[in-house]
Amino acid sequence: EAGVAQSPRYKIIEKRQSVAFWCNPISGHATLYWYQQILGQGPKLLIQFQNNGVVDDSQLPKDRFSAERLKGVDSTLKIQPAKLEDSAVYLCASSLDGGHHSYFGPGTRLTVT
Amino acid sequence: GQNIDQPTEMTATEGAIVQINCTYQTSGFNGLFWYQQHAGEAPTFLSYNVLDGLEEKGRFSSFLSRSKGYSYLLLKELQMKDSASYLCAVRSMDTGRRALTFGSGTRLQVQP
Repeated sequence: EAGVAQSPRYKIIEKRQSVAFWCNPISGHATLYWYQQILGQGPKLLIQFQNNGVVDDSQLPKDRFSAERLKGVDSTLKIQPAKLEDSAVYLCASSLDGGHHSYFGPGTRLTVT
Repeated sequence: GQNIDQPTEMTATEGAIVQINCTYQTSGFNGLFWYQQHAGEAPTFLSYNVLDGLEEKGRFSSFLSRSKGYSYLLLKELQMKDSASYLCAVRSMDTGRRALTFGSGTRLQVQP
């Protein structure tokens, strides 16, 4: 079966610019997660969707980050405006439901200069 | 809140056995996961424990003691390709969240 797809794989932007990432989860997976992984650290949850509803966005910096999953399938994560500390790998993951382990996509490596 | 501790780095020799420890503090515990992450790649699932005891899967085993807030990942017959970061992650049902909280990872280097 196809895995979790993400694009772009790499992105370099200047601070204060905006950027968007796209994720297509494994077909049939109801739960979708966005994680931020800063170099040398473990992934940190930004937002969790169940179908097209938000389950948890308590760690999402809502003044600059937004995410949507309009049709309960693919999802976009946006940062506007970006800051230097947003440089990280943004990982999308999906699971059949919240009770199963997650499958991760290859990630988008963001560099903010 | 949740707190997960694991060693930052470990070194082991090809063919040997290595044990990577993880201690955690959480309420509403609902499972502990181990993921492997090669440099520049996404994490891949290795094992899952929700009850006390040992889960064995080929060269990899994972142990859980819920009363001690402790887990370990055991890697046998180490191969060079096992050089990677190993992430311990805990799931909590405390606030209805089912997402994982990850530790910072243990970077394992396997030497010839």
